[in-house]
Amino acid sequence: QVQLQESGPGLVKPSGTLSLTCGVSGGSISTNNWWHWVRQPPGKGLEWIAEIFHSGSTNYNPSLKSRVTISVDRSKNQFSLELNSVTAADTAVYYCARERGSGSYQGFDYWGQGTLVTVSS
Amino acid sequence: DIVVAQSPGSLAVSLGERATINCKSSQTVLSSSNNENYLAWYQQKPGQPPRLLIYWASTRESGVPDRFSGSGSGTDFTLSISGLQAEDVAVYYCQQYYSIPWTFGQGTRVEIK
Repeated sequence: QVQLQESGPGLVKPSGTLSLTCGVSGGSISTNNWWHWVRQPPGKGLEWIAEIFHSGSTNYNPSLKSRVTISVDRSKNQFSLELNSVTAADTAVYYCARERGSGSYQGFDYWGQGTLVTVSS
Repeated sequence: DIVVAQSPGSLAVSLGERATINCKSSQTVLSSSNNENYLAWYQQKPGQPPRLLIYWASTRESGVPDRFSGSGSGTDFTLSISGLQAEDVAVYYCQQYYSIPWTFGQGTRVEIK
């Protein structure tokens, strides 16, 4: 059973950088799946941020692309998210998730529990 | 971006009755290459991450009760919960994975009447 766990600071100052890591256990990150970051502002809906393949191939949401970097560390079986120049609008629960399909897109079947990141001075 | 709109925003259904949630995409999510609709449904309970219920618009994920069913094609889709149970109280989201950026509907809250 694949498990994902987000980790990182819960508080980031405005104009700073949000950095999160998603550790993958119960399976290898080097499978034929894409790995994602999704966020959810308190009381609101879901927003897809970015995805990465174990080879390092990436795709980003254009609305965030200028501020986001997603990366993978296969040796540690984890992938990471950096979001810079944060504002209060970036306050959200951040989830990491796995694409269900092996070599194709089919939705997100495994999710981390999520981590709340608050942007505040 | 493909905009995904859900309706209603919330609904209250009696235990044992049917709940129906609609999802409409701003453009087709039907692939001509494999004749599949690139649409998924999720259930999210308070304090929990979303749970994948349905993919390819109508295929139930393993372990999902058969009272959950998805239908539709092209731009119009429906999630039905037949015989609503107390544990089905949640917010439900549809999501298109036809083109990047992957986008979600705004969610539909299902409550017990």
